[in-house]
Amino acid sequence: DAGVIQSPRHEVTEMGQEVTLRCKPISGHDYLFWYRQTMMRGLELLIYFNNNVPIDDSGMPEDRFSAKMPNASFSTLKIQPSEPRDSAVYFCASRSLGPHYGYTFGSGTRLTVV
Amino acid sequence: AQSVTQPDIHITVSEGASLELRCNYSYGATPYLFWYVQSPGQGLQLLLKYFSGDTLVQGIKGFEAEFKRSQSSFNLRKPSVHWSDAAEYFCAVGGNSGYSTLTFGKGTMLLVSP
Repeated sequence: DAGVIQSPRHEVTEMGQEVTLRCKPISGHDYLFWYRQTMMRGLELLIYFNNNVPIDDSGMPEDRFSAKMPNASFSTLKIQPSEPRDSAVYFCASRSLGPHYGYTFGSGTRLTVV
Repeated sequence: AQSVTQPDIHITVSEGASLELRCNYSYGATPYLFWYVQSPGQGLQLLLKYFSGDTLVQGIKGFEAEFKRSQSSFNLRKPSVHWSDAAEYFCAVGGNSGYSTLTFGKGTMLLVSP
């Protein structure tokens, strides 16, 4: 398996623009998580899905953030409009249950909003 | 609420010396505990995890960690540090239910001196 795949790896955008981050989880993993990493706040959980259904979005900072999982192999995190304080590294992770319980993280998307 | 404390923001160790990174957690039930490593500009790589059983767990790259329930600790150790171990290390706690999530500490940056 290629692991969790995120795209793009780097994104630079101007304030006010829409940004879409993408994630392909590991096949067979029922849970998908979006985390944000900043120097000030560390790694924070934004939202997670189970079987493509959002379970907890209490970590989403504002209405400008939205996430979808239209099928088991794809998820997006969208920021509209983007602001400089959204600059961070965004990680996607997927998880399996059972004997191979564990979280696998993607390489992250480094977002810079100027 | 679950939480993780990594009391050391930075640690400097001489190459070849032993290492111990501290981690204390708070969790209301049986914790699942993880250590991840992150090199600059990279994603999160799992070093080891503890679910149950033997409280001393072995991981990759020669790392081990010991779970001490009475101290709510899960410290990471390595007997001899290599320059390539310089990175940021994150301790994380979660649960064993499907709807549990992973909460990270703020991380400890390991610097290795020659």
